[in-house]
Amino acid sequence: DQQVKQNSPSLSVQEGRISILNCDYTNSMFDYFLWYKKYPAEGPTFLISISSIKDKNEDGRFTVFLNKSAKHLSLHIVPSQPGDSAVYFCAASARGTGNQFYFGTGTSLTVIP
Amino acid sequence: DAGVIQSPRHEVTEMGQEVTLRCKPISGHDYLFWYRQTMMRGLELLIYFNNNVPIDDSGMPEDRFSAKMPNASFSTLKIQPSEPRDSAVYFCASSMTDTEAFFGQGTRLTVV
Repeated sequence: DQQVKQNSPSLSVQEGRISILNCDYTNSMFDYFLWYKKYPAEGPTFLISISSIKDKNEDGRFTVFLNKSAKHLSLHIVPSQPGDSAVYFCAASARGTGNQFYFGTGTSLTVIP
Repeated sequence: DAGVIQSPRHEVTEMGQEVTLRCKPISGHDYLFWYRQTMMRGLELLIYFNNNVPIDDSGMPEDRFSAKMPNASFSTLKIQPSEPRDSAVYFCASSMTDTEAFFGQGTRLTVV
């Protein structure tokens, strides 16, 4: 059963606009959430994370928001650039019960110049 | 550090053959993960190790799959016998406790 879900397989956004990628999870034990970016023929690379004690974490153009009551997190990219075109994976971990990371199915983002 | 190193990058094999995928984690990382990427399931955790000990192998799809970590700098994922449905990209990743995982570039396996 998929504990981390990304319900949008793809997203297209104009350059300069905001990209919003969404992720839902089912396991209330998850306390650490991450976003990874993946280009074709490469491994996923870490982008940004957030602990469950926070509801927002920002790093340059990337901001992750966490809504624990809704078991929902989102990644905002502002402004979007063509180089942001990639597959984005959401991941979650319950650090008190082990260090394994559970990933969603990914969202393919295309930023149109 | 060169990052997580996986070999081979590509593997084409015939159904029924044994396949061995290799991984060298980042030095100092005490966790090692094997993932399989498919369209349907995304990045699916197969097994992970902590300090070379397998902790959770519940994601291993069948007994045809096995993984070992004989020391802190090397791990293998073996499929014997391989089947066409095993075709996928297999990723190895490593991490320290309570930090993000770093991924290798993956092995694209094709079983014909």
